[in-house]
Amino acid sequence: KQEVTQIPAALSVPEGENLVLNCSFTDSAIYNLQWFRQDPGKGLTSLLLIQSSQREQTSGRLNASLDKSSGRSTLYIAASQPGDSATYLCAVRPTTNSGYSTLTFGKGTMLLVSP
Amino acid sequence: EAGVAQSPRYKIIEKRQSVAFWCNPISGHATLYWYQQILGQGPKLLIQFQNNGVVDDSQLPKDRFSAERLKGVDSTLKIQPAKLEDSAVYLCASSLDGWQGTLPGTDTQYFGPGTRLTVL
Repeated sequence: KQEVTQIPAALSVPEGENLVLNCSFTDSAIYNLQWFRQDPGKGLTSLLLIQSSQREQTSGRLNASLDKSSGRSTLYIAASQPGDSATYLCAVRPTTNSGYSTLTFGKGTMLLVSP
Repeated sequence: EAGVAQSPRYKIIEKRQSVAFWCNPISGHATLYWYQQILGQGPKLLIQFQNNGVVDDSQLPKDRFSAERLKGVDSTLKIQPAKLEDSAVYLCASSLDGWQGTLPGTDTQYFGPGTRLTVL
């Protein structure tokens, strides 16, 4: 059974810092990995999706890397801003014979960026 | 382009009562998902539809939960009777397709704002 762990559970940084969020998963047979952002009381917003054949994806100040063999992904946020404050969730989608599979989520990292 | 719509946004009921949630996915999306998110946890899939067929309902408590997606568009999730442990946010999501054989990225899931259920 796939298990996804996110470290740290919470992080507080001053504005302008670069930071790294970590995600690890137990089964390396994945189809893709996604990073989501969740604001309080809101749904999830997809930030980056990395296919199993890719090593990294970038969008603006965000960069996500994937090391499938070691079961790890990192989300790097450059020059953090107060607007980045949210919970960041990592989710993996396994490869299956049927072609259909579901996302397994971690518990998330709650990020607070103070001005 | 309109996002995933859900209603109601909030619901408070007493245990043993019934409740229903509604979801309208993004137009043209074949795959629809219902998740349960308990406070402090990541979302857990309850059921996945491909058009109007069920692909995965292995984690749906079928003695009390039911879901349908008539005509392959909008969907309802029902709980009857509700228990205290059903208090959670119920999230609906949709994607163009949920099958791994289609173009990469077509399985990107877009989430609605969720329905916060409190069972007293």
